[in-house]
Amino acid sequence: DAGVIQSPRHEVTEMGQEVTLRCKPISGHNSLFWYRQTMMRGLELLIYFNNNVPIDDSGMPEDRFSAKMPNASFSTLKIQPSEPRDSAVYFCASSKMPGAPLLFGPGTRLTVT
Amino acid sequence: EDKVVQSPLSLVVHEGDTVTLNCSYEVTNFRSLLWYKQEKKAPTFLFMLTSSGIEKKSGRLSSILDKKELFSILNITATQTGDSAVYLCAVESRDDKIIFGKGTRLHILP
Repeated sequence: DAGVIQSPRHEVTEMGQEVTLRCKPISGHNSLFWYRQTMMRGLELLIYFNNNVPIDDSGMPEDRFSAKMPNASFSTLKIQPSEPRDSAVYFCASSKMPGAPLLFGPGTRLTVT
Repeated sequence: EDKVVQSPLSLVVHEGDTVTLNCSYEVTNFRSLLWYKQEKKAPTFLFMLTSSGIEKKSGRLSSILDKKELFSILNITATQTGDSAVYLCAVESRDDKIIFGKGTRLHILP
C-alpha cells in the first residue's frame, strides 16, 4: 500500500494567494483528518471526516480555510486568501474506522511570504 | 475543553539511560490514548491503549494507561541515539476526535 499521499510536498506562495492542499487516504480507510503543525502550537486538529462527511470543523482557524472530501479517495484543504501566519506543515491522516490508529501522510510544508 | 498535556517538554539523556515520558489528559467520553514518534518527517504510530493497567510493549518501548488518574507513561529502556525524536501523545474521544499534546523532545547523547 502506498500510504497516505499528500501534494504538493512544499508550497511557497505570496500573501493573498489561494492555496490548495491535496490528500489521498489509504484505500479502505473511512476516516480522514487534517492537522496543522507549528513549533509554537504543536499539532492542531483542523477538521475530520467520517465516510466523506465532515464531522467537526471547529478547529478551522477562520473562514479563509475550507475543506472538502468529494469522495472516499480524495480531500482538499483550501486557504483563500493566504497569510504569513498560515505558514506551517499541514498533515493529512487516515484510519480504517473510528477507534483505529491514525496513519499520517508526509505533510505539505507551506510558506506564505 | 479537551486537552492533552505532556511532560517534560524536552529531555536530554545519555545512551543507555532509561527514560519515562508523561501524558495527562482531560477529555469527554474517552475512547483511547495513542503514542507516536516523530523524527524529521510525519508522526509514526507506536501504541494504542484503551484499558487501564495493561502494558503494551514493543522492544525497548513500553506504555501503560491509568484511566482513573487520567494519565499514561511511555518508557524507553537502554536508549539509543536512534530514539532521539519528538514523542507525541494523543487522545481519542467517542465522537472520533483525536487531539495531540505538544510532545516531548527527546535527545540521546552518544
